[in-house]
Amino acid sequence: DQQVKQNSPSLSVQEGRISILNCDYTNSMFDYFLWYKKYPAEGPTFLISISSIKDKNEDGRFTVFLNKSAKHLSLHIVPSQPGDSAVYFCAAKNPSNTGKLIFGQGTTLQVKP
Amino acid sequence: GAGVSQTPSNKVTEKGKYVELRCDPISGHTALYWYRQSLGQGPEFLIYFQGTGAADDSGLPNDRFFAVRPEGSVSTLKIQRTERGDSAVYLCASSPGQNYGYTFGSGTRLTVV
Repeated sequence: DQQVKQNSPSLSVQEGRISILNCDYTNSMFDYFLWYKKYPAEGPTFLISISSIKDKNEDGRFTVFLNKSAKHLSLHIVPSQPGDSAVYFCAAKNPSNTGKLIFGQGTTLQVKP
Repeated sequence: GAGVSQTPSNKVTEKGKYVELRCDPISGHTALYWYRQSLGQGPEFLIYFQGTGAADDSGLPNDRFFAVRPEGSVSTLKIQRTERGDSAVYLCASSPGQNYGYTFGSGTRLTVV
């Protein structure tokens, strides 16, 4: 069963516009959520995270929103830049597990100049 | 080194053969993780080491997979009697502890023919 889902395999936006990547989860025990960015032939790199006690975390152009009642989180990138083109994974951490992350399937973002 | 190093970067092997994949974590990182990423999917947890011991091996798919970290630093993932379904990118990550974000290596792309 897929506990973390990214239902949009791909997203294309124009440079300067907002990119919104979505993620849904099923396990209410998840207490920490992360977004990773991955370029081809590289490992995922950490982007931004949010604890379940918050509903928003912002870091520069990147903001993550968490809606616990809907079990939904989203990553907003504004303004989008061509260098943001990559695969984005959301991941969730269960407090009963030892640092193990459950990843979504990923969304490929393309930012067009 | 400055980052997590994985060798080889690519490995092609014949069905039924034995392979070893190596991970050099960031110096001083006590936690080490192995993940597997199949095409079109997010990384899937395999095993977690805290120091020399495997604290959580619940993600290993079957007994053909085994991992060691004898001195609490370098880790080797071993796959016996490889099958075509084992073809994937194997990612290693390390962190200062289980409650910290972790750094991924670039992965080993394993192809079983």
